[in-house]
Amino acid sequence: NAGVTQTPKFQVLKTGQSMTLQCAQDMNHEYMSWYRQDPGMGLRLIHYSVGAGITDQGEVPNGYNVSRSTTEDFPLRLLSAAPSQTSVYFCASSYSTRANVLTFGAGSRLTVL
Amino acid sequence: RKEVEQDPGPFNVPEGATVAFNCTYSNSASQSFFWYRQDCRKEPKLLMSVYSSGNEDGRFTAQLNRASQYISLLIRDSKLSDSATYLCVVNTNAGKSTFGDGTTLTVKP
Repeated sequence: NAGVTQTPKFQVLKTGQSMTLQCAQDMNHEYMSWYRQDPGMGLRLIHYSVGAGITDQGEVPNGYNVSRSTTEDFPLRLLSAAPSQTSVYFCASSYSTRANVLTFGAGSRLTVL
Repeated sequence: RKEVEQDPGPFNVPEGATVAFNCTYSNSASQSFFWYRQDCRKEPKLLMSVYSSGNEDGRFTAQLNRASQYISLLIRDSKLSDSATYLCVVNTNAGKSTFGDGTTLTVKP
């Protein structure tokens, strides 16, 4: 049982490049979400999904897109990377929105030059 | 004002000390409450859920006061291994989890 798997673990981009952070869970969780964490700060919600085909914006959605075509996968796309998007990104999932104990991936550290 | 606010810290305590962290939240529709622990540069992990009646897990006690919109975490007999950042998390029924900025604890020998 792998839990929540994020790839890549590290990535360096140039301003204006696009990329996709991958997130997959094998626990049949309904709910998946993406957070970013900047130094000395808590986690801020970017986008979340309560089930396949359903996504919604969190606190800081600008510059990011998501889709949820399957229960297992929830990729995060950076459309045109900016230095302000340098951060650590965490994907998290939970069984349902009501029992929302989150299981996190190990994180993806992104640097935008 | 942030939706979830925590003691700024950092807390530096000797081994064996008792330390308490506080957290307030602004959304009165919040339904569930948690404390997560985050070690340096790693992912957060659930420490404990917080119930209205208060709950205890070994050396850790969590309390919730819905009227005051206040959550607390008490750690007794601190160990070196308790050194970490503690995150207060508040959920709405729609599934949105909001994190506080975290309080850093360092336990010294």
